Amino acid sequence: DIVLTQSPALAVSLGQRATISCKTNQNVDYYGNSYMHWYQQKPGQQPKLLIYLASNLASGIPARFSGRGSGTDFTLTIDPVEADDTATYYCQQSRNLPTFGAGTKLELK
Amino acid sequence: QVTLKESGPGILQPSQTLSLTCSFSGFSLSTSGICVSWIRQPSGKGLEWLATICWEDSKGYNPSLKNRLTISKDTSNNQAFLKITSVDTADTAIYYCARRYSYYGYFDYWGQGVMVTVSS
Repeated sequence: DIVLTQSPALAVSLGQRATISCKTNQNVDYYGNSYMHWYQQKPGQQPKLLIYLASNLASGIPARFSGRGSGTDFTLTIDPVEADDTATYYCQQSRNLPTFGAGTKLELK
Repeated sequence: QVTLKESGPGILQPSQTLSLTCSFSGFSLSTSGICVSWIRQPSGKGLEWLATICWEDSKGYNPSLKNRLTISKDTSNNQAFLKITSVDTADTAIYYCARRYSYYGYFDYWGQGVMVTVSS
């Protein structure tokens, strides 16, 4: 299995930048694509796709969200953070059988 | 408009077989590149991929549960199914179905989830 490691929590102030990291124990790049995706999950709701293939914004997602990275190191950035962004964020790889990170809970200071 | 909705028994006893149905609209499981997956989430915990079935009837299973899982589909009625045999309390979770774009492997649409409790 490809293991994805995320920090458990992050606290940021409104209007500031939040950077959430995801590190993998194996390279998830393949033929020019990084098979890493990001989801947002609010309490009581299903996950929502934010970013696919490391840096592509999913449909309807505001440009405050962005993703970057390659190989084994990836980041999701929210800039500026709004109150509605409090949620848990998961990374997921699809280079091999799908696995998810444990999630990073974003809180406001 | 793509929608998915899960249905299941709610509560079942240990050792029974869990049968889940995913009813979807806005896409077809006969379209090239389209798959439906099952993912679960125990209360307060993270996401665990269980199984995927694709348009050409290929299937994939989580190796840690493979012997207990069976995924299937009814293309005509826009449904996908998951069976889990010999359930125990560790299978208590919210079960989601999600559309998966086969070639890149991300889950672009999710159902609202169905809670399944295993209890004696």
